[in-house]
Amino acid sequence: NAGVTQTPKFQVLKTGQSMTLQCAQDMNHNSMYWYRQDPGMGLRLIYYSASEGTTDKGEVPNGYNVSRLNKREFSLRLESAAPSQTSVYFCASSEPGTDDTQYFGPGTRLTVL
Amino acid sequence: TQLLEQSPQFLSIQEGENLTVYCNSSSVFSSLQWYRQEPGEGPVLLVTVVTGGEVKKLKRLTFQFGDARKDSSLHITAAQPGDTGLYLCAGVWGYQKVTFGIGTKLQVIP
Repeated sequence: NAGVTQTPKFQVLKTGQSMTLQCAQDMNHNSMYWYRQDPGMGLRLIYYSASEGTTDKGEVPNGYNVSRLNKREFSLRLESAAPSQTSVYFCASSEPGTDDTQYFGPGTRLTVL
Repeated sequence: TQLLEQSPQFLSIQEGENLTVYCNSSSVFSSLQWYRQEPGEGPVLLVTVVTGGEVKKLKRLTFQFGDARKDSSLHITAAQPGDTGLYLCAGVWGYQKVTFGIGTKLQVIP
């Protein structure tokens, strides 16, 4: 039981490049989330998916797109990376109707030059 | 979006000292969670408090939810170096609606 896994762990991009961050969970959770964590800003929600086939914007969605590929996988895409997107990205999952616990992956540290 | 103010943002104390971290809002939450995050890892849930006035203890950690469900505190007794980390409070305010505080970075010096 791996919980929530994320790839890659580290990534360096040049401004304008694109990339996809991958996330998978093996807990059969319906809800999945993407956050970014920046010093002094805390965890901010980018997008979330309440269930397979649905996605919704969070607090800071601009510059990102997401895909809920199936119940297990939720990817985050940066189409044209900008230095302001330098951050640590966390994926999380939860099961609504239980105790609202969010289970987080280990994070992806992204630097955009 | 509901706002959660967490204080202090940084805390450096000697082993054996006591400390309290605060999480405050003008909004009412249905529950309040505390997570702990270690460097290079994602946050891990420590506790969830649900009822106004509720107190939960986890070994040397005591969590309290305010009577009005707008604030919470985390008290650590006799801090140990293993308590070092980032402590995050998170307010649950709707169906799948969670707001995180900025976090308190705690360093316990041996």
